Amino acid sequence: QIQLVQSGPEVKKPGASVKVSCKASGYNFISQYIHWVRHSPGQGFEWIGIMNPDGGSTNYAQKFKDRVTLTRDTSTSTVYMEISSLLHEDTAVYYCARDSRTIYGAGMIDYFDYWGQGTLVTVAS
Amino acid sequence: QSVLTQPPSVSGAPGESVTISCAGSSSNIGAANGVQWYQQLPGTAPKLLIYANTHRPSGVPDRFSASKSGTSASLAISGLQAEDEADYFCQSYDTVDTIGYVFGTGTKVTVL
Repeated sequence: QIQLVQSGPEVKKPGASVKVSCKASGYNFISQYIHWVRHSPGQGFEWIGIMNPDGGSTNYAQKFKDRVTLTRDTSTSTVYMEISSLLHEDTAVYYCARDSRTIYGAGMIDYFDYWGQGTLVTVAS
Repeated sequence: QSVLTQPPSVSGAPGESVTISCAGSSSNIGAANGVQWYQQLPGTAPKLLIYANTHRPSGVPDRFSASKSGTSASLAISGLQAEDEADYFCQSYDTVDTIGYVFGTGTKVTVL
């Protein structure tokens, strides 16, 4: 079955970096993009960015483009999200989610068909 | 902050129907971008319920249905069951360059 399994919770100090992993299984890893999304009580859900495992190209939300880096390791079917210069406001549950696409009108839309279990990142001094 | 607005909570007795609204704007739902709905049971990963406004993935009961009109969308749950008690959120895409994918504020469904 299709699964996205994320790494465990992290506690970091402001200004530090954190790297969260997302290991995919049950499908051809390079065939579908992976998104990263976070959820916090104050901000709700926010989309962070997307990675194409086939080639490694990425696209980031403007808010995160200077502090987030997405990478992947095709040998282990794992995508990584690293956030630098952590702020207290980065405290959130971070999710990876697989991208799926469908024909919609004259074009295509994409959505998140499978999600990881979430990784709590706490930023505290 | 979440761009799409949902009621914080709705409730219903077993067997009843409830509807959850999702209000957007001309740059997301109203821009002919599809709307998706997700269910999140306590302590679990979100699960896709509806994609492209009205389509159910295989395995999702037909008690769940959705629609879209103008800048709003709605999710209906009929024949409410205890296992439907969860958080539900909508999602779309915003054509404003800096935002990308956008989400609803989330609605807690309580089965009385």
